[in-house]
Amino acid sequence: EVQLLESGGGLVQPGGSLRLSCAASGFTFSSYAMHWVRQAPGKGLEWVSGISGSGGSTYYADSVKGRFTISRDNSKNTLYLQMNSLRAEDTAVYYCAKGKGEDPKTTLDIWGQGTMVIVSS
Amino acid sequence: DIQMTQSPSTLSASVGDRVTITCRASQSINSWLAWYQQKPGTAPKLLIYKASSLESGVPSRFSGSGSGTEFTLTISSLQPDDFATYYCQQYNTYSKTFGQGTKVEIK
Repeated sequence: EVQLLESGGGLVQPGGSLRLSCAASGFTFSSYAMHWVRQAPGKGLEWVSGISGSGGSTYYADSVKGRFTISRDNSKNTLYLQMNSLRAEDTAVYYCAKGKGEDPKTTLDIWGQGTMVIVSS
Repeated sequence: DIQMTQSPSTLSASVGDRVTITCRASQSINSWLAWYQQKPGTAPKLLIYKASSLESGVPSRFSGSGSGTEFTLTISSLQPDDFATYYCQQYNTYSKTFGQGTKVEIK
């Protein structure tokens, strides 16, 4: 069974940092692009970042470019999101999602359960 | 960035109704459009990809159509399990964008 399990969320002060992880199982991790999508409380979905299967190509939403870094360790079947200079508007549930192919320019077919990030003093 | 606009924002319907949700893109996205269903407190679920391809395991009462800038999601006969929020998403570019969502409520 394909599974994605996020961890690392929590409460952080504005300007702080946090690293999210997403452990994948049930599929050949290195063959698929992976993404992070977030949802602020009571709001819609916002794509945050994507990475190719090899890890060689990365993409970011303008709202997080220069502050967030996506990476993956294919030997550990794990996706990461390093979040720096956090702002109140980054408060959201963060989902990791599997792409339908190796190229990040695909849709998202499997989603994790999400991890909550709260940025507040 | 490509903007996605869904209508309506909220839809009230009864079990058995035929329901249609529209999604418009600010520029052509060919057929690179997906539809997701989300229930409160849970992750989104992929229903339709490439505008009209049904994801494995999704009931056949769901269908998608359109290309270019205008797309529709149709539920042929609304079931109790279908009351949820639906999102369209373009993936014509690496920077994906979602519509604002359509909440399907019980009438």
